[in-house]
Amino acid sequence: NAGVTQTPKFQVLKTGQSMTLQCAQDMNHEYMSWYRQDPGMGLRLIHYSVGAGITDQGEVPNGYNVSRSTTEDFPLRLLSAAPSQTSVYFCASSSAGALSNQPQHFGDGTRLSIL
Amino acid sequence: AQKITQTQPGMFVQEKEAVTLDCTYDTSDPSYGLFWYKQPSSGEMIFLIYQGSYDQQNATEGRYSLNFQKARKSANLVISASQLGDSAMYFCAMRNRGTSYGKLTFGQGTILTVHP
Repeated sequence: NAGVTQTPKFQVLKTGQSMTLQCAQDMNHEYMSWYRQDPGMGLRLIHYSVGAGITDQGEVPNGYNVSRSTTEDFPLRLLSAAPSQTSVYFCASSSAGALSNQPQHFGDGTRLSIL
Repeated sequence: AQKITQTQPGMFVQEKEAVTLDCTYDTSDPSYGLFWYKQPSSGEMIFLIYQGSYDQQNATEGRYSLNFQKARKSANLVISASQLGDSAMYFCAMRNRGTSYGKLTFGQGTILTVHP
């Protein structure tokens, strides 16, 4: 009963370092996305994918890369970490798109601090 | 552009009483869906309830119901018989047909505190 699994749960980086946040889902969902949550701003979409091999930018894509080689995995890469990227990151997946009543299922989040 | 507004940064309610959390939205798309999520202090996002723009009746899920007023573009969450475990952040979100993916646009959230 895993659902959406994110690793790590916590991470501290130094400015300029790179890292990859992992996201995996076992529900065979086509749609996956990455959000960041900052105080007072709700969740904002970084990147999303509508299937293996297909990704696109969301609202705040700068400084992040994604790829989707399998249905299950959707990693988020920080290329050169900056303090402005300190945030809580959520990965989500869903079984259908725009007209569906199916909710997005969220992972437990990754708390990332950039020093 | 789509926008969700939650005007109540914080709300307080006595245990066993009902509480309404406000959500207004802005979209030019006639087809959309509205979602409410709960985020407890542990941080996970929990789906609560869904309302489609063409649904004839207000959505209900246990103690949660939606007061959906389409003409006013509001979708307020009503929690009946509040429990201490309802203390959390609550997010309203909207999904539009206008994008191929139908991404969620979130409001800023409302922190609900339930007093014993």
